[in-house]
Amino acid sequence: QVQLQQWGAGLLKPSETLSLTCAVDGGSFSGFYWTWVRQSPGKGLEWIGDIKESGVTNYNPSLKSRVTISVDRSKTHFSLKLTSVTAADTSVYYCARDSPAHKFGAFDIWGQGTLVTVSS
Amino acid sequence: IQMTQSPSSLSASVGDRVTITCRASQTISSYLNWYQQKPGNAPKLLIYAASNLEDGVPSRFSGSGSGTDFTLTISSLQPEDFATYYCQQSYSPPRTFGQGTRLEIK
Repeated sequence: QVQLQQWGAGLLKPSETLSLTCAVDGGSFSGFYWTWVRQSPGKGLEWIGDIKESGVTNYNPSLKSRVTISVDRSKTHFSLKLTSVTAADTSVYYCARDSPAHKFGAFDIWGQGTLVTVSS
Repeated sequence: IQMTQSPSSLSASVGDRVTITCRASQTISSYLNWYQQKPGNAPKLLIYAASNLEDGVPSRFSGSGSGTDFTLTISSLQPEDFATYYCQQSYSPPRTFGQGTRLEIK
C-alpha cells in the first residue's frame, strides 16, 4: 500500500522560502507524476505543478516564476520550494501521485497535508 | 481550462439520489476525475476518467459524461457521504479543479 508522508516548516515570514518534502513509501517511483496541490483556508484546490521520475517538470503558470519541484537521486522523495512567500500563499499544501497511465492522470494517492502560514 | 461545478451547495437527506454537474470550458474528452473531501482530510479519489470507480469506493457513486459536460451521481445518500466534492480535469496542464460542491444534511 503506497503512502505519501510529507513534512516541512509550517510558519514562515513574508519573503521567505517555503520548503516541503514528500516521501513515497511502499511503492514504485516510476511511471507516475509526483504532484503538489494547495488549498487556501476555506477555498478550493489549486494545482502547483508536478515532476516525472526523469526530472521533467510542469508548473502552474500563476506560480511558475517562484516554484521549483525536484526529485532526490534515490527516487524516494520529491520536494517543493516556493520563494518570496506572502500571506496569499497561506494554505494547506498536499503532495499527491498522478497516475497518467492507469488512471488518466487522476491523483490517486495523497499526503496528509501540511498547513503553511505566512505571517509577520 | 476552467471547470465549473453546480450547484455550489446542496442540502439532501439520507437515502436521496443526488447529482452534481461539472462543465469544462473546452473539450477534455473523458479526462475528468471526481474527489470527495471531508473537513481536515485530504481529497479522496472517487471516479477517474469520467466513469471509472476507484478501488474501494462504494457502487452508489457513479460518473458519466464526455467532452465538456459531466455528472457525479450518488444513488442513495449515506451519512458518510456528506462532504465537499470536486471535479478535476487531467486533459492538459495546468490541471484545474472545479470550485467544489458542498453536500449538507437537510
